[in-house]
Amino acid sequence: GQNIDQPTEMTATEGAIVQINCTYQTSGFNGLFWYQQHAGEAPTFLSYNVLDGLEEKGRFSSFLSRSKGYSYLLLKELQMKDSASYLCAAMDSNYQLIWGAGTKLIIKP
Amino acid sequence: NAGVTQTPKFRVLKTGQSMTLLCAQDMNHEYMYWYRQDPGMGLRLIHYSVGEGTTAKGEVPDGYNVSRLKKQNFLLGLESAAPSQTSVYFCASSSYRQGERPTNEKLFFGSGTQLSVL
Repeated sequence: GQNIDQPTEMTATEGAIVQINCTYQTSGFNGLFWYQQHAGEAPTFLSYNVLDGLEEKGRFSSFLSRSKGYSYLLLKELQMKDSASYLCAAMDSNYQLIWGAGTKLIIKP
Repeated sequence: NAGVTQTPKFRVLKTGQSMTLLCAQDMNHEYMYWYRQDPGMGLRLIHYSVGEGTTAKGEVPDGYNVSRLKKQNFLLGLESAAPSQTSVYFCASSSYRQGERPTNEKLFFGSGTQLSVL
């Protein structure tokens, strides 16, 4: 079966760095997405990786290892507004999105 | 820009009642989707549409119907609501089709509808 695993909840300190991991098992693979979702709001797109390696966008970076079925989202210089859920989604061979349950990130001052 | 607009934001139904959720997008996107989001689970696709006048079933279509009479609108209907349909519903749109190689990877989501069925 197809499956996405990510931690349910993580806590980090303002100004610090946090890494949110995601492992996936899909029938084929056509890319890995990260979305941010603040409580009570809609998910918003953060990143898309289809090749191995690190993609950096300001304070956020996303890494992919296709051979390991693994991705992580790295958030630097954490701010209180980064408190949100982070959703990992993998696209399978039929270009269907398989979504993880999300990681709730709590930022403490 | 309005983007993707969903109405209503909240709704409470009794078991057996019917309702329609409306989604409108102003980005001229071909593809539109309805998802449900439940605690502890990933987003699950209910139905989707790859263009005006077309609809297709997603992962969890039972108990729902959809219509796409106009390109900008995608309606989700519940004919006879059940408590198991208590959820947060999100509409989304994109310029690519799930099932074809994406040319634009992003999904744009509406703000969601919290539905409770008693």
